[in-house]
Amino acid sequence: QKEVEQNSGPLSVPEGAIASLNCTYSDRGSQSFFWYRQYSGKSPELIMSIYSNGDKEDGRFTAQLNKASQYVSLLIRDSQPSDSATYLCAVNRSRYSSASKIIFGSGTRLSIRP
Amino acid sequence: DTAVSQTPKYLVTQMGNDKSIKCEQNLGHDTMYWYKQDSKKFLKIMFSYNNKELIINETVPNRFSPKSPDKAHLNLHINSLELGDSAVYFCASSDTGTQKGYEQYFGPGTRLTVT
Repeated sequence: QKEVEQNSGPLSVPEGAIASLNCTYSDRGSQSFFWYRQYSGKSPELIMSIYSNGDKEDGRFTAQLNKASQYVSLLIRDSQPSDSATYLCAVNRSRYSSASKIIFGSGTRLSIRP
Repeated sequence: DTAVSQTPKYLVTQMGNDKSIKCEQNLGHDTMYWYKQDSKKFLKIMFSYNNKELIINETVPNRFSPKSPDKAHLNLHINSLELGDSAVYFCASSDTGTQKGYEQYFGPGTRLTVT
């Protein structure tokens, strides 16, 4: 079992619709969760972090965390063509206070069709 | 005003050579990381330094040697390059002294091609 699992996609969503990206993780002790966006040929860019159960909203993005189910999701409302990218789910498994050991999923490719 | 920078951006070299990649951050962060992203786009941590001290050292061939002269710089030296070392290498940093200490910010990457 992979530590962080995502559907590789591609996930195709019409412009203006809600894109829903899902992720599960295996380490029940994980405390910090992240979503990164990576455009082709570019570096990962942090778009959301979430640390407690429930929803966290930032603009068009909402991250959802359910630690009991070991499940993290990202909702993108009013999807735009510029949202087309690979979305990486990431989980901090570090037991050190001086560094975060982030384990990345393999990413979900999202395509927004006009 | 680049936050995390890497040099070079591209590196093409032959098998058996030794090469270095440099990373610098001007965010005032205390922790820096090296990641490898392979051809299947899987991103995996290699090393982490906190204030020049090695904290995370994943299962990486000992041909890879990181070095941190100060907390703003982290270099990666690779000896005897192999074809399988071809990948994009990303540097990242985080500020562990803050509430958002586990958030990492990435540099632009160095695409290494070994021929």
